[in-house]
Amino acid sequence: NAGVTQTPKFRILKIGQSMTLQCAQDMNHNYMYWYRQDPGMGLKLIYYSVGAGITDKGEVPNGYNVSRSTTEDFPLRLELAAPSQTSVYFCASSYGATRTDTQYFGPGTRLTVL
Amino acid sequence: GIQVEQSPPDLILQEGANSTLRCNFSDSVNNLQWFHQNPWGQLINLFYIPSGTKQNGRLSATTVATERYSLLYISSSQTTDSGVYFCAVDRFYGGATNKLIFGTGTLLAVQP
Repeated sequence: NAGVTQTPKFRILKIGQSMTLQCAQDMNHNYMYWYRQDPGMGLKLIYYSVGAGITDKGEVPNGYNVSRSTTEDFPLRLELAAPSQTSVYFCASSYGATRTDTQYFGPGTRLTVL
Repeated sequence: GIQVEQSPPDLILQEGANSTLRCNFSDSVNNLQWFHQNPWGQLINLFYIPSGTKQNGRLSATTVATERYSLLYISSSQTTDSGVYFCAVDRFYGGATNKLIFGTGTLLAVQP
């Protein structure tokens, strides 16, 4: 199993550009999550999904959109990139949401907006 | 919302030393997890421990839910223990979502 994969690893955007961060998992997990990690800080939840076709907002959803058309994929879309979106983005997945369901994290995408 | 505070913010150890990392949270929780982020950024779950004590090799964790804190113990530290340790909690309102709230972490550097 590859686990949780993310592409690209690094990206530089200009202000106003858009892009999609890709996330895929091959563990047949129902739940998927997008987090951002700003320098020296913990992770903050952007969006999550409890299954294909079902998504909901986390703590910091503004400026982002998601979709979940399949169990495996959970892309994150930035429509109008702003410097405040410079961060490292992590995708995670878990089988369920019971108290013992561990979240498995991807390697992250480092995004810089100039 | 719930606040998660970790201490110390950073820690330098000599290889072989022991350490204790603390996580305080401002409200009752149903889910508490400890994660290690290695120097390359990879996040690994260490413990799910909303209460009680667990051990895994040189690492152990204790959560005292009634007093709203958790401790992570690292014994006989090794250079591979270096990185950031995060505590994350979830209150599990209504439907379960596993929506974790992360602390700001403890940066650990273990020197050879």
